[in-house]
Amino acid sequence: AQTVTQSQPEMSVQEAETVTLSCTYDTSESDYYLFWYKQPPSRQMILVIRQEAYKQQNATENRFSVNFQKAAKSFSLKISDSQLGDAAMYFCAYRSPSGGSNYKLTFGKGTLLTVNP
Amino acid sequence: DTEVTQTPKHLVMGMTNKKSLKCEQHMGHRAMYWYKQKAKKPPELMFVYSYEKLSINESVPSRFSPECPNSSLLNLHLHALQPEDSALYLCASSPGVTGQHVNEQFFGPGTRLTVL
Repeated sequence: AQTVTQSQPEMSVQEAETVTLSCTYDTSESDYYLFWYKQPPSRQMILVIRQEAYKQQNATENRFSVNFQKAAKSFSLKISDSQLGDAAMYFCAYRSPSGGSNYKLTFGKGTLLTVNP
Repeated sequence: DTEVTQTPKHLVMGMTNKKSLKCEQHMGHRAMYWYKQKAKKPPELMFVYSYEKLSINESVPSRFSPECPNSSLLNLHLHALQPEDSALYLCASSPGVTGQHVNEQFFGPGTRLTVL
């Protein structure tokens, strides 16, 4: 079974600075999808960024980018120019591309990010 | 329309009550999900509907009863709940369940349930 580990329960960053959230995972599959979801205090889970394992290029969405190291099974999220609105719980998630359990997102325990003004 | 809506936002119920949670999406997605989320924890999958049929039940107690009346609507019927069932209940949808059409799951804002 796949597992996702987020080793930082809490992180803080100054507004306008850069912060990196770490995520590692364990899988025997060669093809899969990885996601970062953001859940602000308003509760709604919002997809931040998606990475397909077969793509070597790291995904980027505006101020959000990932460092995907497939061999190391690492998938960190970098937030540049942090804004107050980035404060939220961030969940790293894994999904198989096919097969019996590919409906399932395996989540990490989350990292609570605080942005200080 | 690229959102998943859920009603009500908040629900307080006694252990003998019967209530329902509602979820709706108009993105043409064919898979819909119910999750339970405790505070500061990741969501836990409860049910998956694919093409309006229940395809996955993650060993959820029978006091939770899902229903998918049509491709846009998902209900969760609640009966004889326990205080430990108090949580945020999230609905999600995705284009499909298998193959290339799974893509990502889009989440609704959730229903905050309190069982007294």
